[in-house]
Amino acid sequence: QKEVEQDPGPLSVPEGAIVSLNCTYSNSAFQYFMWYRQYSRKGPELLMYTYSSGNKEDGRFTAQVDKSSKYISLFIRDSQPSDSATYLCAFYNAGNMLTFGGGTRLMVKP
Amino acid sequence: GAVVSQHPSWVICKSGTSVKIECRSLDFQATTMFWYRQFPKQSLMLMATSNEGSKATYEQGVEKDKFLINHASLTLSTLTVTSAHPEDSSFYICSALDRDPHQPQHFGDGTRLSIL
Repeated sequence: QKEVEQDPGPLSVPEGAIVSLNCTYSNSAFQYFMWYRQYSRKGPELLMYTYSSGNKEDGRFTAQVDKSSKYISLFIRDSQPSDSATYLCAFYNAGNMLTFGGGTRLMVKP
Repeated sequence: GAVVSQHPSWVICKSGTSVKIECRSLDFQATTMFWYRQFPKQSLMLMATSNEGSKATYEQGVEKDKFLINHASLTLSTLTVTSAHPEDSSFYICSALDRDPHQPQHFGDGTRLSIL
């Protein structure tokens, strides 16, 4: 079993839709939960960062963590064409080693 | 927010050339920097962890003599791909970790390496 599972997509939605991106993980030692956005031929950009179960909101983005189910989600409201990118979930523990999901490619069509 | 600068962004060179990539933390001191490699449509693969003033720790399967890492200061790490060959062509990305262990890694914009 992989440590992190993430649907690779591609996920295609119309502009304005609500997007739901998900990852499951198996390592109970993960303490921090992140979502990165990566545009083509660019480095990952940190979108959301949390360490507790529950929801964290930042503008159009909401990160949700359910430690009991080992499941994290990223919701994007009012999606825009500029949101088209690959979204990577990432996890780390006290050793500061990041474990990435494989990434979900999102396409928002105008 | 934290900024990590990576240079060059794209390099094309002949087989057998050695290529140096720089990674700088611009507004914080990075005790630890990481080097990743990414193939098209794949996720990032950690190559090595670099701590300031000490030898890098390489992941299994990564050749130390091929990928030389130097982390001489708290703001600069370099990756040198020695005697590069076409199979070394890839997207190389660095990240930096602040002194605060609770802060996440911040990534550079990557270097696209093309070996002819």
